[in-house]
Amino acid sequence: AQTVTQSQPEMSVQEAETVTLSCTYDTSESDYYLFWYKQPPSRQMILVIRQEAYKQQNATENRFSVNFQKAAKSFSLKISDSQLGDAAMYFCAYRTPYDRGSTLGRLYFGRGTQLTVWP
Amino acid sequence: EAQVTQNPRYLITVTGKKLTVTCSQNMNHEYMSWYRQDPGLGLRQIYYSMNVEVTDKGDVPEGYKVSRKEKRNFPLILESPSPNQTSLYFCASSPLKPYGYTFGSGTRLTVV
Repeated sequence: AQTVTQSQPEMSVQEAETVTLSCTYDTSESDYYLFWYKQPPSRQMILVIRQEAYKQQNATENRFSVNFQKAAKSFSLKISDSQLGDAAMYFCAYRTPYDRGSTLGRLYFGRGTQLTVWP
Repeated sequence: EAQVTQNPRYLITVTGKKLTVTCSQNMNHEYMSWYRQDPGLGLRQIYYSMNVEVTDKGDVPEGYKVSRKEKRNFPLILESPSPNQTSLYFCASSPLKPYGYTFGSGTRLTVV
């Protein structure tokens, strides 16, 4: 099985500040996709951002951006101008295309980082 | 509205009593998958399906069964539930192109 590692079980940030959540992964594939999901207390899994491995440019979605370092197999999430509604569990996930690689499109998750936002 | 519908949202059952958690998607997705979420372990894949009649084991398949007779439905069956299957379960679907999976709202299962 592929390995996705989130080394920070918990993080906290002051409202309006910036926080970075870390993620590393282990793969021998060259073509894959990386995701960050958010799970608020409602427990719904919400896709935050997506990065294709073949793209050098880091993905950005409003206040959320990633720092993708392919050689280092690192995929961190930066949340700028943190808001109270950002408080949630964040999961990093990895996926290969369904027709390539050994994992055939399966989605693998890290163990999550619980983010607390202080007012 | 494009969605994955799981039922029930909450279920308490007794050891050994067969149960089925239903999952249906209306997006014509090929991929469907079941995950269980446990504290400190993240989401672990139970079974997945790449299309009708094509299913395969994930990382934690013991004690579970699935079927994919129609493209939209992917039920999870626990033939003889045990307390170690108490967990939060998610169904998810995705097109073949590797966009993110769309998740259902989850089923909180307690086996006593």
